[in-house]
Amino acid sequence: DAGITQSPRHKVTETGTPVTLRCHQTENHRYMYWYRQDPGHGLRLIHYSYGVKDTDKGEVSDGYSVSRSKTEDFLLTLESATSSQTSVYFCAISTPDRKYEQYFGPGTRLTVT
Amino acid sequence: DQQVKQNSPSLSVQEGRISILNCDYTNSMFDYFLWYKKYPAEGPTFLISISSIKDKNEDGRFTVFLNKSAKHLSLHIVPSQPGDSAVYFCAASGGGGTSYGKLTFGQGTILTVHP
Repeated sequence: DAGITQSPRHKVTETGTPVTLRCHQTENHRYMYWYRQDPGHGLRLIHYSYGVKDTDKGEVSDGYSVSRSKTEDFLLTLESATSSQTSVYFCAISTPDRKYEQYFGPGTRLTVT
Repeated sequence: DQQVKQNSPSLSVQEGRISILNCDYTNSMFDYFLWYKKYPAEGPTFLISISSIKDKNEDGRFTVFLNKSAKHLSLHIVPSQPGDSAVYFCAASGGGGTSYGKLTFGQGTILTVHP
């Protein structure tokens, strides 16, 4: 299994508070992604990174920001959490030559009350 | 606007029979398609893929068929086993070398294989 960890695994927070989720990989893969999974929507791409300090928006990026200061870590920040951001968040990694075959982390379940 | 659709939320089959999961897409720029499998409390895992230059790809018990004119793909699992019970997501991508692996996923289909 690819070495991907996500922290925290579970979090409950209040509306309006900032939240940061961490994805850590030990595979030295260049590409990293953040998805959210919601019933009826499948997985939707929030942000992705194609290298250190190189990031771009996905299809549901509003209210989220990311940072990647080193290869192994990709942080997702909810600047001011809202109830609509209650979801399960998955990080994924891939290499440029097999970019679509992504390895996913175990997920973070976030509840915004 | 859902560009990748899995219209069957769930599918139930008997062990040993064939499971057929379906997926439709609307974006004609998609040129690479994948299926992922997800167990509860785990992240999705890559299962099988197909390029738009092919119409079939097989890997053991799993076969993916692509019908470009109908913008439809399907995953066949033969024979189905109880361990195949999971959520299956189809995914699509297009945009060539600058896509950086961006995927558009369907909503998922819950497959239950009964012993």
